[in-house]
Amino acid sequence: GDSVTQMEGPVTLSEEAFLTINCTYTATGYPSLFWYVQYPGEGLQLLLKATKADDKGSNKGFEATYRKETTSFHLEKGSVQVSDSAVYFCALSEYNFNKFYFGSGTKLNVKP
Amino acid sequence: NAGVTQTPKFQVLKTGQSMTLQCAQDMNHEYMSWYRQDPGMGLRLIHYSVGAGITDQGEVPNGYNVSRSTTEDFPLRLLSAAPSQTSVYFCASSYNTQGAEKLFFGSGTQLSVL
Repeated sequence: GDSVTQMEGPVTLSEEAFLTINCTYTATGYPSLFWYVQYPGEGLQLLLKATKADDKGSNKGFEATYRKETTSFHLEKGSVQVSDSAVYFCALSEYNFNKFYFGSGTKLNVKP
Repeated sequence: NAGVTQTPKFQVLKTGQSMTLQCAQDMNHEYMSWYRQDPGMGLRLIHYSVGAGITDQGEVPNGYNVSRSTTEDFPLRLLSAAPSQTSVYFCASSYNTQGAEKLFFGSGTQLSVL
């Protein structure tokens, strides 16, 4: 079945450091891939997405590239800010499968 | 624009009690779903619906019931609450079921079962 595996946290970085959060997936077909972010006390909100191989999703300085050969969708940001502190979830959805599969989440703490 | 509205935000139940978590969306979304969020386990799908009158089970449906009588509302019922159902519950909706559409989430309901 479909599944998503992402690196365990928490990840603690200093402001302006480079961020990578690893995500790999297992899927039966050709999924769309997503990164969602959850700020304290809130629901998840979409950060970025990619719908086919080699697509790059980007938003607010975050990027992730859909790598079919390595079944990965790693999240990167060149220079993190304190305001990026949140929990990040990798997710996938397959066309017409009506289900989203989420990773376990990675908590990011950014210190000034 | 309200988006996805969940009520209540917090709830404490005793074992064996029943209750309904409410979810409403005002975006005319076809797809609605319920997730539970537990530490270290991410979000797990409980039930989902692809339109009024249509519901189906997700990964962890036992102990929960849903119905979809209108496009806007998708309540989640706990029939006889158990401590294992202590969790944070999220309702999410999407415009359609084509896989590439993003989910819109409510702000969650924190449920404790004693």
